[in-house]
Amino acid sequence: AQKVTQAQTEISVVEKEDVTLDCVYETRDTTYYLFWYKQPPSGELVFLIRRNSFDEQNEISGRYSWNFQKSTSSFNFTITASQVVDSAVYFCALTNAGNMLTFGGGTRLMVKP
Amino acid sequence: NAGVTQTPKFRILKIGQSMTLQCAQDMNHNYMYWYRQDPGMGLKLIYYSVGAGITDKGEVPNGYNVSRSTTEDFPLRLELAAPSQTSVYFCASSQQLDPSYNEQFFGPGTRLTVL
Repeated sequence: AQKVTQAQTEISVVEKEDVTLDCVYETRDTTYYLFWYKQPPSGELVFLIRRNSFDEQNEISGRYSWNFQKSTSSFNFTITASQVVDSAVYFCALTNAGNMLTFGGGTRLMVKP
Repeated sequence: NAGVTQTPKFRILKIGQSMTLQCAQDMNHNYMYWYRQDPGMGLKLIYYSVGAGITDKGEVPNGYNVSRSTTEDFPLRLELAAPSQTSVYFCASSQQLDPSYNEQFFGPGTRLTVL
């Protein structure tokens, strides 16, 4: 069985602070894929990143960066210099070749001006 | 491209009523999914489809039915609504079997309340 744990249910920061959202996963598969989605207050889910289990390179996209560590089964997401528009619920998700996504419970990020 | 569309956006049902949540995608995706999101929780898979005429149960299928007569449409039916089905329902689609391309595109959601 697969499991995704986002231990931080809610984080509050002040604008321009850096913030890291944690994601820990469990799977018995050697091939799997990890995702992050953003759910802004409007409600839709927005895809942010996909990473496969064979690619442990960290990735940076603007103010966003992701740290994938197989040794600790973690796929953490960092926002640098946070902005009010980053306020949302962020979901980490996992799939294997079976094509079914398992979502974590989400982390609500509140960025205050 | 409209992407994934869902109707209605909001609905209030009485216990025992039935309704169909509509979902359509115009991206020619083979794979379609229905999720529910309970307050403060992640999404749970209800049903999914790998192509027209093929559907399968997800994690929480009880109380729901689906059909997939066309590639574009994937309606979700609630036959006897119960308060436990109060949730936000998301439809999603994805392109290929290969999970390397399994970015799922989500619709805007339907907020359903059962009283």
